[in-house]
Amino acid sequence: AQSVSQHNHHVILSEAASLELGCNYSYGGTVNLFWYVQYPGQHLQLLLKYFSGDPLVKGIKGFEAEFIKSKFSFNLRKPSVQWSDTAEYFCAVNAASGGSYIPTFGRGTSLIVHP
Amino acid sequence: GAGVSQSPSNKVTEKGKDVELRCDPISGHTALYWYRQSLGQGLEFLIYFQGNSAPDKSGLPSDRFSAERTGGSVSTLTIQRTQQEDSAVYLCASREALGSMVAHYGYTFGSGTRLTVV
Repeated sequence: AQSVSQHNHHVILSEAASLELGCNYSYGGTVNLFWYVQYPGQHLQLLLKYFSGDPLVKGIKGFEAEFIKSKFSFNLRKPSVQWSDTAEYFCAVNAASGGSYIPTFGRGTSLIVHP
Repeated sequence: GAGVSQSPSNKVTEKGKDVELRCDPISGHTALYWYRQSLGQGLEFLIYFQGNSAPDKSGLPSDRFSAERTGGSVSTLTIQRTQQEDSAVYLCASREALGSMVAHYGYTFGSGTRLTVV
């Protein structure tokens, strides 16, 4: 079975600071990886996804994530955060083949950006 | 529709009563998922429907929980004899499946139903 671990549960930053949110997964096969964002009072939205190819994935709003297969990691980064990035961030994984395509989500990281 | 629609958006019920939560997925999306989001607990998988296949019910926490999907479209999640620990936001997501590209699409979530059992 697959699992996802997000190490940072709460992150507080000032505007313009750099961001890196950790995500590690466990699964023995090929995976698809996702980051979702949930802004206050809104529904979950896809931030970026990895399926294959270039392990450095660019998403919306200046976010990017790097898939490091040897480390089973898919960390989310942004060089300079804004107050509007305040939200809950969820990492998710599903088996790319031979699995049931049920995404497993991490517990989420709450990001607060002070203006 | 343009997105995944869930109703009601909020539901307050008394302990012991039954509730029904509705999900209307994006038209043409063959895969439908129910998750439960509790404070600080992330998203907990409940049930998964894929086309006409038997649903994967492996995430349902007890036999008080059931779900159906009629005509491959609208889904209803039913919780019988609600308990206070059932209080959570219930999320529905759908995904398009096209042949071998089945897992290559992101999942689109609805806004959820916030269930409060008092």
